[in-house]
Amino acid sequence: QSVLTQPPSVSGAPGQRVTISCIGSTSNIGAGNDVHWYQQLPGTTPKVLIYDNNNRPSGVPDRISGSKSGTSASLVITGLQAEDEADYYCQSYDNSLDGRVFGGGTTLTVL
Amino acid sequence: QVQLVQSGDEVKKPGASVKVSCEASGYTFTSHGITWVRQAPGQGLEWVGWISPHNGDTKYARKLVGRVTLTTDRSTKTAYMELRGLISDDTAMYYCVRIAVGGARPPFDYWGQGTLVTVSS
Repeated sequence: QSVLTQPPSVSGAPGQRVTISCIGSTSNIGAGNDVHWYQQLPGTTPKVLIYDNNNRPSGVPDRISGSKSGTSASLVITGLQAEDEADYYCQSYDNSLDGRVFGGGTTLTVL
Repeated sequence: QVQLVQSGDEVKKPGASVKVSCEASGYTFTSHGITWVRQAPGQGLEWVGWISPHNGDTKYARKLVGRVTLTTDRSTKTAYMELRGLISDDTAMYYCVRIAVGGARPPFDYWGQGTLVTVSS
């Protein structure tokens, strides 16, 4: 049972838009802690996709965006491409646990 | 370029201990925290703990407190994770990860290649 809740899977056709939610609580996201998103392609190590809620590292296309509101955060991918098929994880800090926490992960399938 | 090179895969019996190493290069070792993340087969990411190579401060995931110890050797720019009293649920890929700088809780920006620890009788 993860502290941050993500849907196990989402899917979309090429060119479409998908949203992955990350629901937390008042002890993590709702406490003002930043949210980061990671992409893990099959057989590889995770890579930062969005940091500090809505910032993209260099090299990440602007069709990928993040947002945060209240006790939840979202990752949006527009113009879906086959290369987007991967697992996506949100991460934040939990004040009660006094440590970093991850969402359970979401598998994105491009139909 | 930044690199984190971890030690090889391990097979251990229940109750044993394992120590995984992580040699860092390509950046100033003491300027970035090191965190450890594990991933059980087919499962999600789980935070294990954090260490500051600068001053040795540590923080551990609550479920692992008492069984895990993180250390660093500044002379060799190497971080270590020791896990004791191994159980089958500890079977996972263990990643050594560098923490970026900036902000209150920066993201994890460079990952080691992973060390598979298998606990089996």
